[in-house]
This record gives sequence, structure tokens and C-alpha cells, in this order.
Amino acid sequence: EDKVVQSPLSLVVHEGDTVTLNCSYEVTNFRSLLWYKQEKKAPTFLFMLTSSGIEKKSGRLSSILDKKELFSILNITATQTGDSAVYLCAAPGTSGSRLTFGEGTQLTVNP
Amino acid sequence: DSGVTQTPKHLITATGQRVTLRCSPRSGDLSVYWYQQSLDQGLQFLIQYYNGEERAKGNILERFSAQQFPDLHSELNLSSLELGDSALYFCASSAQAGGPNEQFFGPGTRLTVL
Repeated sequence: EDKVVQSPLSLVVHEGDTVTLNCSYEVTNFRSLLWYKQEKKAPTFLFMLTSSGIEKKSGRLSSILDKKELFSILNITATQTGDSAVYLCAAPGTSGSRLTFGEGTQLTVNP
Repeated sequence: DSGVTQTPKHLITATGQRVTLRCSPRSGDLSVYWYQQSLDQGLQFLIQYYNGEERAKGNILERFSAQQFPDLHSELNLSSLELGDSALYFCASSAQAGGPNEQFFGPGTRLTVL
């Protein structure tokens, strides 16, 4: 069975801090890994990673994939209160594109 | 705004009833997915349709069914509702059926079964 595990489950930081969120996976027929941000509504797409070692960047957010060690990290630099959300990691697995999600990391950024 | 639309936003109903949730994918996307998000289960895949045909099935109960119409919108039908069916139901869409491709989520339908 496909499995995605995120850590930590919860993180509280101060504005301006840098955070690293972790995602490990065990997925048959791995093709890609996706990161989403979920506030009190629908998950918003952040990144899709398919190749090892190539960093994807969007503003203060960046992410990288390690296909040898089966994990990905999401970095957020100079955090702001608006970054407070649940960050979800997901991977399509054995059957089609159905996503298996991790439990998510609840990030709280305090002013 | 992801471009995926879902209606209704909220639905309150009683046990034993039947409801229909509706989803329109992003323009040009052929694949539609349904996910359920409850507090204790996280986001769980229910079912996928691609260009009108069922493509993959997840942990979808027999009381639940879905279809995708020729105009590519999809409906999720939930019947004989139980208290435990209360959850957020998300629809997502993508361009392809398989392979690496981004899925974009709609705003969700919050179902409350009383």
C-alpha cells in the first residue's frame, strides 16, 4: 500500500524564521510528488517534483526531491503570518493519478 | 481561484437521505477526481473519471456513486447517508489521466448529516 509520511505534524515559529517541512514516501511506480497549502478551504497547488536534486522555487518557498532516499522537503524562508496553514504532501501511486496524501504539517507563524 | 467549481458549498441533511454534489473541472481538463476529507481520516481518494469513463476507484462506499457527463462535469451521489459521512468533499481536475500531472482542487462541499 502506498504511504506518505510528513513531519513534523505541527510547528510554531515566529515571523521571519525559516522552516523546513519533511515528506517521505513509499510509493509503487513513483512518478511525482506534489505539495499543497491548505488554509480553511481547498488545497492550493504549490509544486510538483519529478526529478531528483532539481530545486523548484516560488518566492520564499522552495522544494526539492531525493528519489534515492525517498523524501522531499519544503522550505519557507522569512515566514509571514500568512504562511500559517496546513502543508500537504502527496504522491500519485499505483493506480492512475489518484493521490495518496500525508497527514499534513500544521504551520503556525506568530507575529 | 483554481478554475474548478463545486456546488453547493454547504449541505445539511438528515440520516438516510440522498444528496448530489456537482463539480465542473478546469477548462480543458479531462480528468476529475473526488476526495473526502474528514477530521480523523485526512484527505482520502474516492474515485477518478477520465473523459467520461471510470479510471480508478479508492475507498468509496457502495452507497456512493459518481459519473462524468459528456460536457465533463461530474456528480457524486451519496445515498442512505450516515452521521459518519459528514465531511468536506473535494473535486480536483487534471489534464491527463495518468503520469505526472498537477491536480487542482475545487473549493469543496461541506456536508453535514444530522
